[in-house]
Amino acid sequence: DVKVTQSSRYLVKRTGEKVFLECVQDMDHENMFWYRQDPGLGLRLIYFSYDVKMKEKGDIPEGYSVSREKKERFSLILESASTNQTSMYLCASTGAGEKLFFGSGTQLSVL
Amino acid sequence: AQSVTQPDIHITVSEGASLELRCNYSYGATPYLFWYVQSPGQGLQLLLKYFSGDTLVQGIKGFEAEFKRSQSSFNLRKPSVHWSDAAEYFCAVGAQDSNYQLIWGAGTKLIIKP
Repeated sequence: DVKVTQSSRYLVKRTGEKVFLECVQDMDHENMFWYRQDPGLGLRLIYFSYDVKMKEKGDIPEGYSVSREKKERFSLILESASTNQTSMYLCASTGAGEKLFFGSGTQLSVL
Repeated sequence: AQSVTQPDIHITVSEGASLELRCNYSYGATPYLFWYVQSPGQGLQLLLKYFSGDTLVQGIKGFEAEFKRSQSSFNLRKPSVHWSDAAEYFCAVGAQDSNYQLIWGAGTKLIIKP
């Protein structure tokens, strides 16, 4: 089975901190995605990557950056965390023509 | 504008009863349509997808969905729900060349009454 692993299930950070959310997939997928999930808003795409060192902005990239130095790892970075970034963050990956495989999510609280 | 609407935020159904979750979309290109389920504390799992062909698609866990182009709908159905079906259900739409940039509905939370 494909596994998408997010490094933390729960994370509590302070306003202004730099936050790293890590995601690793084990199926050699080209495409990887970061979403945030908020009640009543569904999933919103922050960034995605279709290859190593490639990245594309999604619908809500402001306040976030990403890094993809290796094919299996896609990191989401909050340069200076703010309270409005408190959310559930979901990582996903897919190969060509396949379904999305999701991690279990990281619930981030920014205090 | 491209969008996906799931009109029901919550739905409560008795165990053993039938279920229909609604999904309407607005999309310029030929849509690829998906239903995902998120059980509590877990990531999203694909239930079924429609790319082309037969407009009635079968998925996992006894779910099915019907694509109706004229109504821009892709409603999810199950003839008899089980308590384990309690979860949040998301409809999503994308295009063949969209590189899996899906547009997601807000989700419908399914509550099962014993």
